[in-house]
Parts: sequence; structure tokens; C-alpha cells
Amino acid sequence: ETGVTQTPRHLVMGMTNKKSLKCEQHLGHNAMYWYKQSAKKPLELMFVYNFKEQTENNSVPSRFSPECPNSSHLFLHLHTLQPEDSALYLCASSQDIGNSPLHFGNGTRLTVT
Amino acid sequence: GESVGLHLPTLSVQEGDNSIINCAYSNSASDYFIWYKQESGKGPQFIIDIRSNMDKRQGQRVTVLLNKTVKHLSLQIAATQPGDSAVYFCAEGDNYGQNFVFGPGTRLSVLP
Repeated sequence: ETGVTQTPRHLVMGMTNKKSLKCEQHLGHNAMYWYKQSAKKPLELMFVYNFKEQTENNSVPSRFSPECPNSSHLFLHLHTLQPEDSALYLCASSQDIGNSPLHFGNGTRLTVT
Repeated sequence: GESVGLHLPTLSVQEGDNSIINCAYSNSASDYFIWYKQESGKGPQFIIDIRSNMDKRQGQRVTVLLNKTVKHLSLQIAATQPGDSAVYFCAEGDNYGQNFVFGPGTRLSVLP
């Protein structure tokens, strides 16, 4: 079991639905991240939070809305998604920003129909 | 960001042989490098990292080599086992940045 837990593992949603992805880290890290992993593309950074403050929004469409209530929990709220948003969404944490490795969860496999 | 690429998208090795997975990077300002392993249905798992003040670092059955002159990184796996079958990613970053740049990955297949 990893120190980063993501739920749900699988999610199928229609384009008009609203859903949320949840991430929790048990490592005492200060930074948390959302990454998108699509087929045949490298991992893409979406958002970064450091000590609960958002420090990076990597030009992500507004239909993706992150929330970080504390340094252990991270959410990704989804609404009016497109089929091309289907991907594996990975949460990660690190001790600090830069100079420390990312620890990933097992991801949420999202399918938008 | 700068690109990180892999020379070989797939690699097949016999069980017991050594594996070498290569990675090229283009950002000369990068000073921190990580190798990840991703098995089917799982997230990337940290294997080993190396900072730019080193050219070699060893872990359990793995060695990472860094050649800053030619901007090249490699992961060597000794006595490759079936459990090593996975996709391997390199990632580059710096001590101040928050955006690791990941390579596309190399799939390692271990043949019996």
C-alpha cells in the first residue's frame, strides 16, 4: 500500500456530470500535485499546492477545479468534461517543492462518455 | 519546459541479464534526476534519484549514471527479474522548480 491514497480507482461519467477525485497522503509531506497521464503522452503537471496554497496552475481548463483543505488532502472537482479528458489522474506528494522526489498514488482511471 | 526523451521505447531482456535504460535531457539547468517504475494498474514508483554533483549512485540491484557533458542519464538493473517488467520513466527537475519534466517511458519486458 502506498503512502498516497486515491479514490475512486475507476470513474465513468457523462459530460454533464459533476464528480470529485480525492487524494490523501500519509507521509507528512508539504506539497501535493495533480498529474494527468494519457496514452502515448508524458506525464503532464496540472496543479501544485505547497502548504495548502496553490503555486502552479499549468494552463488547465476551468472544468478542472482543485481544492486543498489541508496539506494531507487534495481534491479535483470535475464538471462538464470532454471525452478527451479521459485519462489516468495521478496525485503525488513531496516533502518540499523541488529537491525531493514525488510519491504517487495509484491514480483514478477516468472515462468520460 | 525542456524536453526529456528516451532512446528506446521498448526493451526486452532475458531473465538474469542486466538491463540498461537510457534517457536524454536537454535542459542544462536541470540538477536533479529521478527514475520511476510504473507497473500496470499502479502509479509511478520511486526507484532512485541522483543530483548533479554526482555521476553515479547505486541502490539495491540498480545503478543510475549521469553524464552531464552529453546530458545523458541511464538506469542499470542487475540480474533482471520478471518482477522488473514495467514502464520506466526518467524525470528531470531542479532544486527550485516544482515542475518535473517526465520522459515518455520505456517498456521493459523480461523474457523467461
